[in-house]
Amino acid sequence: QKEVEQNSGPLSVPEGAIASLNCTYSDRVSQSFFWYRQYSGKSPELIMSIYSNGDKEDGRFTAQLNKASQYVSLLIRDSQPSDSATYLCAAPSGGGADGLTFGKGTHLIIQP
Amino acid sequence: GAVVSQHPSRVICKSGTSVKIECRSLDFQATTMFWYRQFPKQSLMLMATSNEGSKATYEQGVEKDKFLINHASLTLSTLTVTSAHPEDSSFYICSARGPLAGGSYNEQFFGPGTRLTVL
Repeated sequence: QKEVEQNSGPLSVPEGAIASLNCTYSDRVSQSFFWYRQYSGKSPELIMSIYSNGDKEDGRFTAQLNKASQYVSLLIRDSQPSDSATYLCAAPSGGGADGLTFGKGTHLIIQP
Repeated sequence: GAVVSQHPSRVICKSGTSVKIECRSLDFQATTMFWYRQFPKQSLMLMATSNEGSKATYEQGVEKDKFLINHASLTLSTLTVTSAHPEDSSFYICSARGPLAGGSYNEQFFGPGTRLTVL
């Protein structure tokens, strides 16, 4: 059973600071990872995907992947109150057409 | 692009009735659709994977006779909760993936979800 682990938080960050969200996974075979943002009562929205070791930047978001440590993170620069949400880390459940295994999510609060 | 819709967005039904939820990919052909369930303050749990024209693959612990999935076309999948009970009350979310949806092979695009309440 593949597992994706996240600290549930809440993680409180002052507005304008960098929010750092972390995720570990159990399956060394996993090749792709995803960060989703979910507002309360809404469905997840894809923020970033990452497949290679190292950093991937998209606007204020940077995803970092370390396959040796089985660790993936998401950095949010210049945090805004609108970034307050639950952030879900996900990895494919298995090969072929399988769905995603999600972590329980980290609740992020950006304090104005 | 890569828009997925769900209908209805919210449904309330009596115990013992059946409820059908539709999931549509609006601007791409979804070769694979997924159904997830999310209970309050918990993460999404994959229920089943469906490929167009074939039977769905259910995750362990999900009753295939209770949660009927049909993926009859490349743009539509339906989930029918049969003989619904209060414990089936949850947030049901579909996602879709297809070769022209954009992104990588494993990227999934989620519908807005359907909140089911069984009285």
